[in-house]
Amino acid sequence: SAVISQKPSRDICQRGTSLTIQCQVDSQVTMMFWYRQQPGQSLTLIATANQGSEATYESGFVIDKFPISRPNLTFSTLTVSNMSPEDSSIYLCSGLMRTGYNEQFFGPGTRLTVL
Amino acid sequence: QKEVEQNSGPLSVPEGAIASLNCTYSDRVSQSFFWYRQYSGKSPELIMSIYSNGDKEDGRFTAQLNKASQYVSLLIRDSQPSDSATYLCAVAKIDMRFGAGTRLTVKP
Repeated sequence: SAVISQKPSRDICQRGTSLTIQCQVDSQVTMMFWYRQQPGQSLTLIATANQGSEATYESGFVIDKFPISRPNLTFSTLTVSNMSPEDSSIYLCSGLMRTGYNEQFFGPGTRLTVL
Repeated sequence: QKEVEQNSGPLSVPEGAIASLNCTYSDRVSQSFFWYRQYSGKSPELIMSIYSNGDKEDGRFTAQLNKASQYVSLLIRDSQPSDSATYLCAVAKIDMRFGAGTRLTVKP
C-alpha cells in the first residue's frame, strides 16, 4: 500500500473563507485524486490532480471553487474557496499505485466544518 | 441507473455467520473491481481487488466476479464484531466509481 498523509486533519471555518488541504504521497503513486464524502454518503470524485498542469474536474465541480495544484509527483493541494455550510464534508486525497492494477489508497481525510 | 449499485443496508449478522455483500455495475468495459472497508470516522481501506471472473479468497474474505452479469460480491466468513463497518464497492475503467456502501453490523 501507499503512504498518504493529509493536513489538516480537521478544521472549522467561517463562511466566505478558504481552506487549503495538503496531500503528500510516497513515490509508488502515479495519479492523485481528490474526493468528497458528505455525511452518510459515498465518495464523490472532485478531480484528478495532474502534475504540472490544470486538474481534470468532474461534472459539478469547477476550478474557481476547488482550485487544485500538483507541483510535483508526490504533492498536491486542494483549496475549498468561498466556503458555505454546504461545503462541510470530509475531503479525501487518494493515490493510484504504480503497479498497474488500478489500486487506489486513501489518505486519512480532512474533516471540514463550515459555520 | 447508477454506475455502481450496492444492496441496500443496513445488514446485520450474528457473530460467526457469513456476511454477503453484493454490487452491480453498469459499464460493461470496467476492468478492475474493489472492496473497501470504512470504519466510522476513518478513510476507506482497500481489502480486496479482483480482475477476472471467478472467486478470489484472502483469509476470511472471498470476492466473486461475474462480468457477464456485471456483478461482484464479497463474502465474509466467520464474521466478527470488528468487521462492523461500511463496505464500499468500487469499479474502475480509467478512474474509480464508488457505490453508496452497505453498512454491516456483526452482533456478538
